[in-house]
Amino acid sequence: RKEVEQDPGPFNVPEGATVAFNCTYSNSASQSFFWYRQDCRKEPKLLMSVYSSGNEDGRFTAQLNRASQYISLLIRDSKLSDSATYLCVVNNYNQGGKLIFGQGTELSVKP
Amino acid sequence: DAMVIQNPRYQVTQFGKPVTLSCSQTLNHNVMYWYQQKSSQAPKLLFHYYDKDFNNEADTPDNFQSRRPNTSFCFLDIRSPGLGDAAMYLCATSRDPTGEQYFGPGTRLTVT
Repeated sequence: RKEVEQDPGPFNVPEGATVAFNCTYSNSASQSFFWYRQDCRKEPKLLMSVYSSGNEDGRFTAQLNRASQYISLLIRDSKLSDSATYLCVVNNYNQGGKLIFGQGTELSVKP
Repeated sequence: DAMVIQNPRYQVTQFGKPVTLSCSQTLNHNVMYWYQQKSSQAPKLLFHYYDKDFNNEADTPDNFQSRRPNTSFCFLDIRSPGLGDAAMYLCATSRDPTGEQYFGPGTRLTVT
């Protein structure tokens, strides 16, 4: 079983749609959680950190459920520019701060 | 302004010919990382420096070495590149091992 598992993609949605990505992690000692966005042939860019209380940044909302070891990302009112691969990332302090990446979920927003 | 800079952005080398990739940062972060990313795969951590302390991943081949002469710079040396080493090499930094990591634009390595 992979340490971080994400919904398989690709997700193809129309502009304006709401889309949700889910992610589970296996190491209960994981301490930090992030969503990164990666465009084709570019570097991963930090989208947002994920906190236990949940957090929102504009059209993006991230949730963390430590009991279920589950992380989610909700994108409202999708834009064409949201098309990218979304990476669920976990930081395990007991591995020296190593980021564990999910395989990513590809999102394609169509006109 | 770019905060994590990688040079060159594209590198072509011959099979077996040593190559060095460079990374610099203006964030004054304590930790610098090198990742390898192949097509359709997640980034794979090769090693990282926490200040001057070098931490190698167990499955990183001996062919890959790194140097961090000061806080701002970190180098990735590939002693004898093979065809399987063709990939995007990403440098990242963080203030400490528990925090967010910020990636440079990457160096795309081609081995001929």
